[in-house]
Amino acid sequence: DVKVTQSSRYLVKRTGEKVFLECVQDMDHENMFWYRQDPGLGLRLIYFSYDVKMKEKGDIPEGYSVSREKKERFSLILESASTNQTSMYLCASSFGSTHHNSPLHFGNGTRLTVT
Amino acid sequence: GENVEQHPSTLSVQEGDSAVIKCTYSDSASNYFPWYKQELGKRPQLIIDIRSNVGEKKDQRIAVTLNKTAKHFSLHITETQPEDTAVYFCAANSGGGADGLTFGKGTHLIIQP
Repeated sequence: DVKVTQSSRYLVKRTGEKVFLECVQDMDHENMFWYRQDPGLGLRLIYFSYDVKMKEKGDIPEGYSVSREKKERFSLILESASTNQTSMYLCASSFGSTHHNSPLHFGNGTRLTVT
Repeated sequence: GENVEQHPSTLSVQEGDSAVIKCTYSDSASNYFPWYKQELGKRPQLIIDIRSNVGEKKDQRIAVTLNKTAKHFSLHITETQPEDTAVYFCAANSGGGADGLTFGKGTHLIIQP
């Protein structure tokens, strides 16, 4: 069974702090994704990557950056956290190359609160 | 980019009845349409998906239909049970798959005993 592990389940940070959210998958998947989930807005794609050192902007990349130095690990970085980045963050991975037509496997999520 | 609309936002049905959730998409290049179920406090999990070369797919009590001409697809759950209570998300791949998955806003399905 695919395992996608997010390093923290709950995180509380202060405005202006630099925040790192880590995600590791154990299935040798090429594709990895970061979504944020907010009530009434569904899941919105922040960034994704289909290979090591590759990254693509999703629908809401502003205020975020990502890093993929190893195939199994995909990090989401909030350079200067703001209160409007309080949200549930979901990492996902999938098999395949640049065309996304295979199932996503999600982590358990990190609930980030910025005060 | 892709735009996925999902309706209704909330659906309450009696146990044993059927439930239908509908989605529309805007990108004619989309060719992969998965459905995810998210129970309270848990991660979204894939329940069924369909590719654009077929019009319908079934898996026990769950079925998905796709109308490429009209750009809409639907989830059908028959003989609903209390454990079907969850939020359901539809999704479509953008740019023929090059731009990731775009999700609908979700439907909270409530099964009344």
